[in-house]
Amino acid sequence: EVQLVESGGGLVKPGGSLRLSCAASGFTFSSYSMNWVRQAPGKGLEWVSSISSSSSYIYYADSVKGRFTISRDNAKNSLYLQMNSLRAEDTAVYYCARDSCSGCPFDYWGQGTLVTVSS
Amino acid sequence: DIQMTQSPSTLSASVGDRVTITCRASQSISSWLAWYQQKPGKAPKLLIYKASSLESGVPSRFSGSGSGTEFTLTISSLQPDDFATYYCQQYNSFWTFGQGTKVEIK
Repeated sequence: EVQLVESGGGLVKPGGSLRLSCAASGFTFSSYSMNWVRQAPGKGLEWVSSISSSSSYIYYADSVKGRFTISRDNAKNSLYLQMNSLRAEDTAVYYCARDSCSGCPFDYWGQGTLVTVSS
Repeated sequence: DIQMTQSPSTLSASVGDRVTITCRASQSISSWLAWYQQKPGKAPKLLIYKASSLESGVPSRFSGSGSGTEFTLTISSLQPDDFATYYCQQYNSFWTFGQGTKVEIK
């Protein structure tokens, strides 16, 4: 059974940093591109970042470019999102999601981890 | 950037109703469109990909159509479990979601 479990969310002050993790199991992690998607409270879905299976291709939404860094460790079946210079508008539930194929829709999602940026 | 616009934002319907949600893209995305269902406090669930292909395990009352810039999601006979928010997503160029359509009980 495919499982994606996020962790690392919490309360952080504006300008602060946080690192999210996503532990994957039930599939060959190293064969799939992975993504982060966020959802602000009461709002819609926003794609944040994508990383290819071998980390060769990395993409970011303009809203996080230069502040967030996506990475993965295929040996540990884990996906990461390093978030720096956090702003109030980064407050959201952050989901990790698997690409069903490279550049495709997302067929499996984690349960999400809440990041709150507030003083 | 490709923008996705869904209509309506909210839809009130009864069990058994036929429901249609529309999604428009700001430029042609061929058939690179997916639909998701999301329930409160839960992650989105993939329903349809490539505009009209049903994801494995999704009931056949869900169907999708369209190409280019205009797409529809249809639920042929609304069931109690279908009251949720639905999102379209383009994956022609990166990924963009529509703003969502909430299907609520009439």
